[in-house]
Amino acid sequence: GEDVEQSLFLSVREGDSSVINCTYTDSSSTYLYWYKQEPGAGLQLLTYIFSNMDMKQDQRLTVLLNKKDKHLSLRIADTQTGDSAIYFCAESLNSGGYQKVTFGTGTKLQVIP
Amino acid sequence: DAGVIQSPRHEVTEMGQEVTLRCKPISGHNSLFWYRQTMMRGLELLIYFNNNVPIDDSGMPEDRFSAKMPNASFSTLKIQPSEPRDSAVYFCASSLQMETGRYFGPGTRLTVT
Repeated sequence: GEDVEQSLFLSVREGDSSVINCTYTDSSSTYLYWYKQEPGAGLQLLTYIFSNMDMKQDQRLTVLLNKKDKHLSLRIADTQTGDSAIYFCAESLNSGGYQKVTFGTGTKLQVIP
Repeated sequence: DAGVIQSPRHEVTEMGQEVTLRCKPISGHNSLFWYRQTMMRGLELLIYFNNNVPIDDSGMPEDRFSAKMPNASFSTLKIQPSEPRDSAVYFCASSLQMETGRYFGPGTRLTVT
């Protein structure tokens, strides 16, 4: 079955880069996503990468995908206090004609001023 | 677009009472999802609708839970009777059929005493 794993917690200093890691088990994933959840809010889609890509960059965000190792990472450059949130990795699989999305447990990012 | 709208934002009720949570998806999206989030179990998919039809309700925990989508712009999740272990944040999300990113509402925080 599908399983998406993340470390629970990451602490970085403001201005440093943050790297949040994720591993997944199903090699037939079609898309992989990063979502951000701020306190008291829903999950916000940050970025996604198609499974045949290795890297995607969007302003301060860089997503790296290693399909061989089933490893996904999100790098946030110049981390700001506003980046403090829980970050969820998710994978999407074709299941009976629709995209079944499995979420990881989330990584809580704490940015220290 | 206002995004996914959920109501109420907070609900406190006594055990045994009926609870109805409401969701308005993003206009034009034809897939709708109900999720539950708790510290212990993370984010769980309860039910998924496509074009107003329930496709996968395998995540609905018990018969006490029911969901409807009478039209493309409205869905309800009902718990009857409610129990303390139903306390959680319930999220509604929507997406386009051919697009796999999901857009989450702000959630309803349910407390059953």
